[in-house]
Amino acid sequence: SQQGEEDPQALSIQEGENATMNCSYKTSINNLQWYRQNSGRGLVHLILIRSNEREKHSGRLRVTLDTSKKSSSLLITASRAADTASYFCAFYDRGSTLGRLYFGRGTQLTVWP
Amino acid sequence: EADIYQTPRYLVIGTGKKITLECSQTMGHDKMYWYQQDPGMELHLIHYSYGVNSTEKGDLSSESTVSRIRTEHFPLTLESARPSHTSQYLCASSDMGYGYTFGSGTRLTVV
Repeated sequence: SQQGEEDPQALSIQEGENATMNCSYKTSINNLQWYRQNSGRGLVHLILIRSNEREKHSGRLRVTLDTSKKSSSLLITASRAADTASYFCAFYDRGSTLGRLYFGRGTQLTVWP
Repeated sequence: EADIYQTPRYLVIGTGKKITLECSQTMGHDKMYWYQQDPGMELHLIHYSYGVNSTEKGDLSSESTVSRIRTEHFPLTLESARPSHTSQYLCASSDMGYGYTFGSGTRLTVV
């Protein structure tokens, strides 16, 4: 399966703490993306990291990519209750001409006030 | 503000009814997708389109059908709704190599 695998499946932390989510995949990729989904809503694109990049920052988000280990991590620093959501990684298969994203199974993050 | 619109937002309908879920985007994207997602679960691709008059089935078998007569419009139709169709349906569009833009979803309940 080309689907990504994420861990943990669920994460519960206090406000102010950092949250780290991991994603692993099996194929060669062009880029890897992270999405956020609030309960009952659509997904929102957060950040994209290209296969030749190792780290990328956007506000309180830090994404790393290790193509040798076929893994990525998303770090949310100084978390807030409003960060409570599901987070999905997604990637394009470099070998595919179809141009479709493959999504991970998601990590449910709960941030307690 | 969302550039991709899904209607209705919520739908409760009886078994056997025909329904159409609407999806429209204003970004001129050629690629559009339909996903099915149960609460708290992963996304399953059920249909996709790479342009007008191009539609393909996705990874998850679905009794629904789609059409793409115009670039901006990608409706999904269920000819005869069943309780097993109860789920959230997400529409998305994209440019090649970049991120997807998702609609807010339609939560369908078949009673």
